[in-house]
Amino acid sequence: DTVLTQTPLSLSVTPGQPASISCRSSQSLLHTDGKAYLYWYLQKPGQSPQLLIYEVSSRFSGVPDRFSGSGSETDFTLRISRVEAEDVGTYYCMQGVHLPRTFGQGTKVEIK
Amino acid sequence: EVQLVESGGGVVKPGGSLRLSCTVSGFTFSDAWMNWVRQAPGKGLEWVGRIKSKSDGGTTDYVGPVQGRFSISRDDSRNRLYLQMSSLRIEDTAVYFCTTGGYDSRGYYRNYWGQGTLVIVSS
Repeated sequence: DTVLTQTPLSLSVTPGQPASISCRSSQSLLHTDGKAYLYWYLQKPGQSPQLLIYEVSSRFSGVPDRFSGSGSETDFTLRISRVEAEDVGTYYCMQGVHLPRTFGQGTKVEIK
Repeated sequence: EVQLVESGGGVVKPGGSLRLSCTVSGFTFSDAWMNWVRQAPGKGLEWVGRIKSKSDGGTTDYVGPVQGRFSISRDDSRNRLYLQMSSLRIEDTAVYFCTTGGYDSRGYYRNYWGQGTLVIVSS
């Protein structure tokens, strides 16, 4: 199975400061169609996961532009330019190339 | 408004069976590839399996630990997705979510999740 390794596993951020989360894959997430299928989700406490970023860098509908994704093949990053209080929760990367689909372990973000 | 509503969760003994349902509205269910994702208490997300649309073959795929014990099916006439779980183990205890994502007919990317249903496997 494709292993996704997220770092760090927890993050404490001052509001207004930037934050970034890394997601490394055990194998390339570049599909034969030329796209890389790496997604970022945020799960707020007590809620279902919500999609933030799809296909590495495309921001999902309604997601604030302070969220951005980048990367290629095996190394990916989610960046929050200025963290806000509503960004607390656990962030997961997920790959959509190989079966079974797999998630990273999650990165818990809290506000200082 | 899009809705995915899971039901059927509950408490079951090890070795028992349970069938979860996910009732969908607000989008063309028959065109969607549907997934089940689970989350054990206090743990991360785990993809359980998926079923393709019938037009794409209607085939299923599963994660290793549930292969041969779980079965995903769909009833497009009722807009329902199912997860038949058998030979349940304590480690299957989790909240089970149904979810789908992808481009719609107009080229917009969609991603929908239900609220989840809790399955507890305990003697």
